[in-house]
Amino acid sequence: GAGVSQSPSNKVTEKGKDVELRCDPISGHTALYWYRQRLGQGLEFLIYFQGNSAPDKSGLPSDRFSAERTGESVSTLTIQRTQQEDSAVYLCASSLAILAGVGGELFFGEGSRLTVL
Amino acid sequence: AQRVTQPEKLLSVFKGAPVELKCNYSYSGSPELFWYVQYSRQRLQLLLRHISRESIKGFTADLNKGETSFHLKKPFAQEEDSAMYYCALSGYNDYKLSFGAGTTVTVRA
Repeated sequence: GAGVSQSPSNKVTEKGKDVELRCDPISGHTALYWYRQRLGQGLEFLIYFQGNSAPDKSGLPSDRFSAERTGESVSTLTIQRTQQEDSAVYLCASSLAILAGVGGELFFGEGSRLTVL
Repeated sequence: AQRVTQPEKLLSVFKGAPVELKCNYSYSGSPELFWYVQYSRQRLQLLLRHISRESIKGFTADLNKGETSFHLKKPFAQEEDSAMYYCALSGYNDYKLSFGAGTTVTVRA
């Protein structure tokens, strides 16, 4: 595809249920990022993948959150036993450059809006 | 630790007036700074990066290491500049990109 694709675009779930969010990065992009954006707040870093390896999981808020990536392709963010505070827009981004610090541009998806009732 | 502060949540200016979005950062190493923008109903996208020293859509930003700032400026705002702007920070040879809370800019006719 032409850009980063995320699904579902909207998800409403009940507290305690598990949810799975999917990200299809731009083909050939080695780096993949997940961010969370709560209402009225900035982007909160969750996890970074280099290929299918995740050297930095420091942003994952709790052990209810996990993520995996298949090769240099699809990534899935899973939230188990969802809580109301998990309600947010989850953004995925990919980059051709491994290092954002050397000018690697991040290309963002449209996000998955999660609402936990 | 990396931290980016955008002190203004909202900024309203008249068309043709100058606009300046403030960004301050905290980083112990050599910083790389970026501005990202999100227009209404569009994806978040890169506007400019300090390493390129470029002017995009009339916007410029200068990295001031003494004041640890990377303010975004445009001398004459246009209505199409209305958007959400995020300042972002990484370190040289680092992968992590940290974002500020964002500033919503409204340009009035």
